[in-house]
Amino acid sequence: GEDVEQSLFLSVREGDSSVINCTYTDSSSTYLYWYKQEPGAGLQLLTYIFSNMDMKQDQRLTVLLNKKDKHLSLRIADTQTGDSAIYFCAETHLDTGRRALTFGSGTRLQVQP
Amino acid sequence: ETGVTQTPRHLVMGMTNKKSLKCEQHLGHNAMYWYKQSAKKPLELMFVYNFKEQTENNSVPSRFSPECPNSSHLFLHLHTLQPEDSALYLCASSQGEGGQETQYFGPGTRLLVL
Repeated sequence: GEDVEQSLFLSVREGDSSVINCTYTDSSSTYLYWYKQEPGAGLQLLTYIFSNMDMKQDQRLTVLLNKKDKHLSLRIADTQTGDSAIYFCAETHLDTGRRALTFGSGTRLQVQP
Repeated sequence: ETGVTQTPRHLVMGMTNKKSLKCEQHLGHNAMYWYKQSAKKPLELMFVYNFKEQTENNSVPSRFSPECPNSSHLFLHLHTLQPEDSALYLCASSQGEGGQETQYFGPGTRLLVL
């Protein structure tokens, strides 16, 4: 199967760390992505990780991948009000040759001042 | 700016109207995509074009008709839509050479069908 699941909502205080979680079901070789969507806008690519990696860090963003549990997380350090948005986890499958991304339903992050 | 533009940004149409959505990418990519984002479902793939050829049609009703005249332009022609077709329609592009294939999205067209 190709289900990608995320919790729907997360609220944090400004300056705290945010951790957004995602689970997927397909264990084949895959790229996993995090996209951000602000109100009225399209999807902005934040970062991606290949399934043979455990971790990737990019400035305030840290992606952790637990392949055994099929669990992906996005940690945002020092969360700011500008980080308030919907965050989508997505995967693509190299072995099927399909180009399309399978998206989760998105996690709405609310950052309180 | 992601290098992918979409017009119009907002569209209101009646069920008997015919309209078209336009997408243009300035990234030199060869693959382009249409996705539908509605309130009730996760992002759904509609169509994939690679080097101007349609490679995926995700069981989309025939009232949606895509057109890809070249690798930089993608259209979605709309005809006799239903109110449940109201959604945000997102266009994306990627290199189209296999491998990592990161997709870059446009801002979307928000469609309301009355």
